[in-house]
Amino acid sequence: GAVVSQHPSRVICKSGTSVKIECRSLDFQATTMFWYRQFPKQSLMLMATSNEGSKATYEQGVEKDKFLINHASLTLSTLTVTSAHPEDSSFYICSASILEGGGFTDTQYFGPGTRLTVL
Amino acid sequence: DQQVKQNSPSLSVQEGRISILNCDYTNSMFDYFLWYKKYPAEGPTFLISISSIKDKNEDGRFTVFLNKSAKHLSLHIVPSQPGDSAVYFCAAAGQGGSEKLVFGKGTKLTVNP
Repeated sequence: GAVVSQHPSRVICKSGTSVKIECRSLDFQATTMFWYRQFPKQSLMLMATSNEGSKATYEQGVEKDKFLINHASLTLSTLTVTSAHPEDSSFYICSASILEGGGFTDTQYFGPGTRLTVL
Repeated sequence: DQQVKQNSPSLSVQEGRISILNCDYTNSMFDYFLWYKKYPAEGPTFLISISSIKDKNEDGRFTVFLNKSAKHLSLHIVPSQPGDSAVYFCAAAGQGGSEKLVFGKGTKLTVNP
């Protein structure tokens, strides 16, 4: 099956610094990538949807200036948490999908996630 | 306002018995439903899905049932195996082929040997 990787898997940073998380589709071209965050014992919350070559679409309540998303190619999307604060500590997961004929498919493949801890 | 609800945070069953995981939704625009399995510190993996035009979909030991009038779906695992122990997320997608998934909070399933 299709593989999605994330790097790093775990990051600890100081408050005020910026952290970049990469999401790569390893063996397929992803027309769309999604970024989620998950708090302990909570559901995955969609943060934004990104399409290659265009601006990301953010969900309500997600600060686009804080969570910068770049979808530079069909195999790479990056999420940068700018000026991170302890409340940004969370598990960030990306997913990538292949659109077939413009319709929805169940082929949304998830990365392994990145655990961000902001001190 | 949670549109997808999994009211049981945990479920424990004996190996070989049936596991039934439940999910309710409030948005009648959802027309595609999925179940994901997740291990700690890993991303979810797709398990099984069902379109709103069906009321049942089966794949091996996994069967998903959809009751549209009740806005309820369930995942049946039979027979349950210890390797099925994980957190199961129910997810729903909207009309018109929208890919945006709305997830429930998950149910932690423990299958005891």
